[in-house]
Amino acid sequence: NAGVTQTPKFRVLKTGQSMTLLCAQDMNHEYMYWYRQDPGMGLRLIHYSVGEGTTAKGEVPDGYNVSRLKKQNFLLGLESAAPSQTSVYFCASRLGVFAGELFFGEGSRLTVL
Amino acid sequence: AQKITQTQPGMFVQEKEAVTLDCTYDTSDQSYGLFWYKQPSSGEMIFLIYQGSYDEQNATEGRYSLNFQKARKSANLVISASQLGDSAMYFCAMREDSGNTPLVFGKGTRLSVIA
Repeated sequence: NAGVTQTPKFRVLKTGQSMTLLCAQDMNHEYMYWYRQDPGMGLRLIHYSVGEGTTAKGEVPDGYNVSRLKKQNFLLGLESAAPSQTSVYFCASRLGVFAGELFFGEGSRLTVL
Repeated sequence: AQKITQTQPGMFVQEKEAVTLDCTYDTSDQSYGLFWYKQPSSGEMIFLIYQGSYDEQNATEGRYSLNFQKARKSANLVISASQLGDSAMYFCAMREDSGNTPLVFGKGTRLSVIA
């Protein structure tokens, strides 16, 4: 029972490098989300998707891109990493519009030097 | 404007005592859901409890209960008989049911349980 899986769990980047975080869920959920967590800021929504092939911007989308080519996967990309993107990133999913809780991945800690 | 406000950055409670974590929310929707999540030091997000805006009874899950006061727009989490393992960050969150609105989280309250 994998649930929501994020890879990688840890990554260190240099400023200007690019990377992709992968989120995979095996629960056939329609909705998927990327949040970032910074000390004292709670979880802030970066981008989300309400179904395969759809994406939408959240509260803090700048510097990130996303894709949802397959229903089970939601990719978060950083094209040119900046130190301000040092954070813990959480992927989450839920079944549909009237479904309740979010199911979270374990988080990915990204450090940009 | 902040949709979810948690005014207590940190709280201390004695083991076996009850504690209330405050959460107020702001919405003009009639239909919405309120959630509490726990994040222990290991980092994972653990769902604790849910309250729908039309639910007449306060939600309860074991030692957790949600004190829902709709007119005051508050959704406080009550933990009874605190345990050392309750030491964690606690996040209140809201989802408005109009459209595909995602969950919005508060900034969290760090609870420390003292033996």
